[in-house]
Amino acid sequence: SYVLTQPPSVSVAPGKTARIACEGNNIGSKIVVWYQQKPGQAPVVVIYYNSDRPSGIPERFSGSNSGNTATLTISRVEAGDEADYYCQVWDSGSDYVFGSGTKVTVL
Amino acid sequence: EVRLVESGGGLVKPGGSLRLSCAASGFTFNNAWMSWVRQAPGKGLEWVGRIKIKADGGATDYAAPVKGRFTISRDDSKNTLYLQLNSLKIEDTAVYYCATEVRSLAYYMDVWGKGTTVTVSS
Repeated sequence: SYVLTQPPSVSVAPGKTARIACEGNNIGSKIVVWYQQKPGQAPVVVIYYNSDRPSGIPERFSGSNSGNTATLTISRVEAGDEADYYCQVWDSGSDYVFGSGTKVTVL
Repeated sequence: EVRLVESGGGLVKPGGSLRLSCAASGFTFNNAWMSWVRQAPGKGLEWVGRIKIKADGGATDYAAPVKGRFTISRDDSKNTLYLQLNSLKIEDTAVYYCATEVRSLAYYMDVWGKGTTVTVSS
């Protein structure tokens, strides 16, 4: 089965840049989606098609995908960005695969 | 407004059964592939299964841990999705979310309900 690995946590100061890696075998050949989940809430898509943002998601959120790593970048981090972030791909052998999740803490 | 509202969660003993519902509104439900995703306490997201639209045969797919125990169905006349949970195990304890699927260049879930909690405990 296909596995996606994320760091458990990332800490960042307000105004700085947070980068969250999502590692998977040749993930660059797949299309990655990123979800943000705040405590007690349902996940929300922040990036789809590797780097596209849904309407309403700030431009501070961006994504890239190449080789064995996809990356979610949050620029000019704000307190409201504190949340868990999950990457997700679709794999023909595993169907939907989620990463293990990364907790972003704003210092 | 697109809206999904889950219900039916609760406390059940191991080996027991429960039926979850997901009421949909604000979109053409009979034209939407629907999925269930769960999240155990303090853990990550886990896809449970899906049901396709009738035009695509209405087929279902399930994740390995629930195959043979869980059943997904839909009633398009009531704009409602169901998840029947049988032979429940302690490890099925989770918040269960229903979600609409996007099936285009990428496959993902774009609209989620708020979830309903299932607790399996003796």
